[in-house]
Amino acid sequence: DGGITQSPKYLFRKEGQNVTLSCEQNLNHDAMYWYRQDPGQGLRLIYYSQIVNDFQKGDIAEGYSVSREKKESFPLTVTSAQKNPTAFYLCASSMYPLEYNEQFFGPGTRLTVL
Amino acid sequence: SQQGEEDPQALSIQEGENATMNCSYKTSINNLQWYRQNSGRGLVHLILIRSNEREKHSGRLRVTLDTSKKSSSLLITASRAADTASYFCATVLGSSNTGKLIFGQGTTLQVKP
Repeated sequence: DGGITQSPKYLFRKEGQNVTLSCEQNLNHDAMYWYRQDPGQGLRLIYYSQIVNDFQKGDIAEGYSVSREKKESFPLTVTSAQKNPTAFYLCASSMYPLEYNEQFFGPGTRLTVL
Repeated sequence: SQQGEEDPQALSIQEGENATMNCSYKTSINNLQWYRQNSGRGLVHLILIRSNEREKHSGRLRVTLDTSKKSSSLLITASRAADTASYFCATVLGSSNTGKLIFGQGTTLQVKP
């Protein structure tokens, strides 16, 4: 099956811990995105990557980090510097030309800070 | 601030009725997209309409775009209980080549059987 997978589905973090959320796609898409969704809200862009070994900050990058070592993978690390990390995290990918194509979303990871 | 604002925030209708959701935005766009999200799940793309298009159809979905009013509407005809979900509009800015989407806050639709 082609698509985007995210793991884990649920993640619990203690205060002060870093955690890494996984995102993998087998759609051969060049661009990948990370969004955060808070209850009753739309999505806000954290980071995005248009090509391997390159990524840019989105609107709310503080307290987060990413890497893009492989085309298929775009992991997101939520660091202890993120003050309010409890949220639903969604990964997406898209093909070129990016401004004319839809994004395909994974099923999401729900992160809760204990 | 969010580029898009959606109206209404919540909508409750009976099965078989039509549902209309509206989206307004502030700046020039390249295209506008509508997505659906079932509770606790990822988003599913519905329709993409480009800035030079005025109307698009896909099955029971009809999307219109009025760039002079900076607004779009999504019409779902003959609604079904399975249409119960949150619906989001998202815009790609006219100057963008990154595909960056800016989302509205969404409309929650409940279709009662």
